[in-house]
Amino acid sequence: EPEVTQTPSHQVTQMGQEVILRCVPISNHLYFYWYRQILGQKVEFLVSFYNNEISEKSEIFDDQFSVERPDGSNFTLKIRSTKLEDSAMYFCASSPMIAKNIQYFGAGTRLSVL
Amino acid sequence: GQQVMQIPQYQHVQEGEDFTTYCNSSTTLSNIQWYKQRPGGHPVFLIQLVKSGEVKKQKRLTFQFGEAKKNSSLHITATQTTDVGTYFCAGSTGGFKTIFGAGTRLFVKA
Repeated sequence: EPEVTQTPSHQVTQMGQEVILRCVPISNHLYFYWYRQILGQKVEFLVSFYNNEISEKSEIFDDQFSVERPDGSNFTLKIRSTKLEDSAMYFCASSPMIAKNIQYFGAGTRLSVL
Repeated sequence: GQQVMQIPQYQHVQEGEDFTTYCNSSTTLSNIQWYKQRPGGHPVFLIQLVKSGEVKKQKRLTFQFGEAKKNSSLHITATQTTDVGTYFCAGSTGGFKTIFGAGTRLFVKA
């Protein structure tokens, strides 16, 4: 069964450093998303991406965040200057054309900012 | 902004007992999805409801979407230990943004 893959599974970084989280969505999906989940809390929408541009973003997704689809398969989330409060699990998700609100999640990248 | 509230936060049940979690949106939704997240895992899609008053069943799970499309519920009949995890509702008003409820964590005692 096709799945969303995310790398790395765990990223440790120093405050102020840049990190790039990588995702390979399901191959025939057209809608891509990043979510954040702070430990024990709810899943928070960050950004959606469709047709090579951001389609919607939340208030969390400020200037320190950016997304990119550098080639036909990868979808990345860059955090420019990490803060302690960016420590969380980051999930990538993708959706098929016929159901953009049905999301298939990757296993996540746990980001620890020290 | 749009909010999705979910209750209860936690539920402890004895195996074989029923379980229900409720979801309420501050705005009318276009659709609602339910996800299950096992401890240490990622959200896994269970079902989507689109129509007002819709009821869908998956084995022991029954999902309802309210007539006003502002609330929803998930009911599990005769819980099993494999049902443990956090159940999230997630609603959309038609755009790309999906708002998740805080989730209900289900504990099942054998």
